[in-house]
Amino acid sequence: AQKVTQAQTEISVVEKEDVTLDCVYETRDTTYYLFWYKQPPSGELVFLIRRNSFDEQNEISGRYSWNFQKSTSSFNFTITASQVVDSAVYFCALNSAMYSNYQLIWGAGTKLIIKP
Amino acid sequence: DTEVTQTPKHLVMGMTNKKSLKCEQHMGHRAMYWYKQKAKKPPELMFVYSYEKLSINESVPSRFSPECPNSSLLNLHLHALQPEDSALYLCASSHSSTGFSYEQYFGPGTRLTVT
Repeated sequence: AQKVTQAQTEISVVEKEDVTLDCVYETRDTTYYLFWYKQPPSGELVFLIRRNSFDEQNEISGRYSWNFQKSTSSFNFTITASQVVDSAVYFCALNSAMYSNYQLIWGAGTKLIIKP
Repeated sequence: DTEVTQTPKHLVMGMTNKKSLKCEQHMGHRAMYWYKQKAKKPPELMFVYSYEKLSINESVPSRFSPECPNSSLLNLHLHALQPEDSALYLCASSHSSTGFSYEQYFGPGTRLTVT
């Protein structure tokens, strides 16, 4: 089975707090790709990161960081010192050739609310 | 430049109308996608074009008709829609003609309301 689980439906924090969004995936494929997208209220899906199954190095980009652990099938996303502009729905997605080259398997999304 | 543009931003149409959604990308991407997204849900894939040929039709009703006039343009023709078709329609493109491994870049979407 191919599946992405984002168990946190909604998270609310006060500005400047750190927040971690969880993503757990299932796949029998050995070659796959994981993605995070941000969808602000305006609606556009913004690509944040792509990670392939052979690269378990953590990634940091400014206030954003990602922790990929194959042992626990997780690809978690942390925002450090959150800001109001980080308020959005965040989707984790899986691309597995065993399932479909084109089809992304999406998590349900986590709505992040950053309060001033 | 990682921009995908879509027009119109908003569209209200009656069930007997015919309208079209347009999408354009100038990144040289070989695959283009149409998605439908209902509120509080992830996007659902509708169609994929690779090298201007329809590669995937996810069992979409015939009242939605895609068209890819050239490698930069993607249209979605709408006819005799139902109120349940009201949603955000997103266009995306990706570098890979096979779709696999490359990220997709999305446009801002068209918010469609069918009355």
